[in-house]
Amino acid sequence: EPEVTQTPSHQVTQMGQEVILRCVPISNHLYFYWYRQILGQKVEFLVSFYNNEISEKSEIFDDQFSVERPDGSNFTLKIRSTKLEDSAMYFCASIAPPSGGPGDTQYFGPGTRLTVL
Amino acid sequence: AQSVTQLDSHVSVSEGTPVLLRCNYSSSYSPSLFWYVQHPNKGLQLLLKYTSAATLVKGINGFEAEFKKSETSFHLTKPSAHMSDAAEYFCVVRPSSNTGKLIFGQGTTLQVKP
Repeated sequence: EPEVTQTPSHQVTQMGQEVILRCVPISNHLYFYWYRQILGQKVEFLVSFYNNEISEKSEIFDDQFSVERPDGSNFTLKIRSTKLEDSAMYFCASIAPPSGGPGDTQYFGPGTRLTVL
Repeated sequence: AQSVTQLDSHVSVSEGTPVLLRCNYSSSYSPSLFWYVQHPNKGLQLLLKYTSAATLVKGINGFEAEFKKSETSFHLTKPSAHMSDAAEYFCVVRPSSNTGKLIFGQGTTLQVKP
């Protein structure tokens, strides 16, 4: 069964550094999402992406964050200048076409644990 | 505002006994509701979903959930726990069809004792 994959599984970085988290959604999927979970807190929506543009973003997703689908297979989340509070597990998800219905299943990757020192 | 509350952060059962994981939601619209499970080092896997069809929803691995609008609940049950059910379970709501955003509960860790 096809799966969403994420790399790396664990990323350690210094505060102020840029990080790029990578996701490979399931190949025929069209809608893509990033979520994060700070330790001990709920999983939170960050951003959704469709047709090469952001379709929705949360208040968390400020100018330090950006997303890109650089080559038709990867979907990346970039944090420009990491802060201590960016330490979290980041999950990527995707939805199969046809999309947009209320019951669409989001398929999640295993997550990348980001640790900012 | 939409929200999801999982009433237990940790549930412990013995193998072969029933499982009940409780979830209450708050939504202004007719929501879609989901239960996801996460095993260690794995992605979030869909167990089941409710999308305004039958209120009793059957999922994978013997799990089911009942949507009760009057109680704003969507509790997850299984008649007989198996050791492999030990994992983190998330109750999730998609508030409306106008958004793809999912809202998560805080998760319930299910421990299954032999």
